[in-house]
Amino acid sequence: QKEVEQNSGPLSVPEGAIASLNCTYSDRVSQSFFWYRQYSGKSPELIMSIYSNGDKEDGRFTAQLNKASQYVSLLIRDSQPSDSATYLCAVIDNYGQNFVFGPGTRLSVLP
Amino acid sequence: SQTIHQWPATLVQPVGSPLSLECTVEGTSNPNLYWYRQAAGRGLQLLFYSVGIGQISSEVPQNLSASRPQDRQFILSSKKLLLSDSGFYLCAWRKGGAFFGQGTRLTVV
Repeated sequence: QKEVEQNSGPLSVPEGAIASLNCTYSDRVSQSFFWYRQYSGKSPELIMSIYSNGDKEDGRFTAQLNKASQYVSLLIRDSQPSDSATYLCAVIDNYGQNFVFGPGTRLSVLP
Repeated sequence: SQTIHQWPATLVQPVGSPLSLECTVEGTSNPNLYWYRQAAGRGLQLLFYSVGIGQISSEVPQNLSASRPQDRQFILSSKKLLLSDSGFYLCAWRKGGAFFGQGTRLTVV
């Protein structure tokens, strides 16, 4: 049974701070990892994908992957109130066709 | 570019009524397609996925079914809805990550 775990939050950070979101997964063969942002009442939106160990940066977002520790994180620099949303971590492995989503972490950026 | 369409956006149905939700993808061929459900305040639960026409895999036993009559069309159905079927239904296709339609918010009353 593949599992993806996240702290449900809410995680509150002041505007301009760095928000750090964490995710752990149970399936060691997982190869592909994704972060989604979901605003209330809307569908999830893909914001980052990462496939190899290390960091991947895209604008204010940095995804970090450590396969040995089965850990993936998302850093949001210079957090803005518009970043307030639920962030979902997802994994997919090379043995299957499916995405397994974590329960999401609710982020609140305070002005 | 690829787009995914899902309708309707909102649906209120009585218990015991049938259901049909449709999803279509444009701009790609032979996509992997998925149906997810998200209960209020909960994560995404995979219901069905399809790798091709007529090929459906079910992840969770329930009173829902799915069909893929055409390459870019994926349909979620039920013969008789239960109260527990209420939720946010999301269709997605895969290109690297999963890309979602706008979702259908279903309320069974």
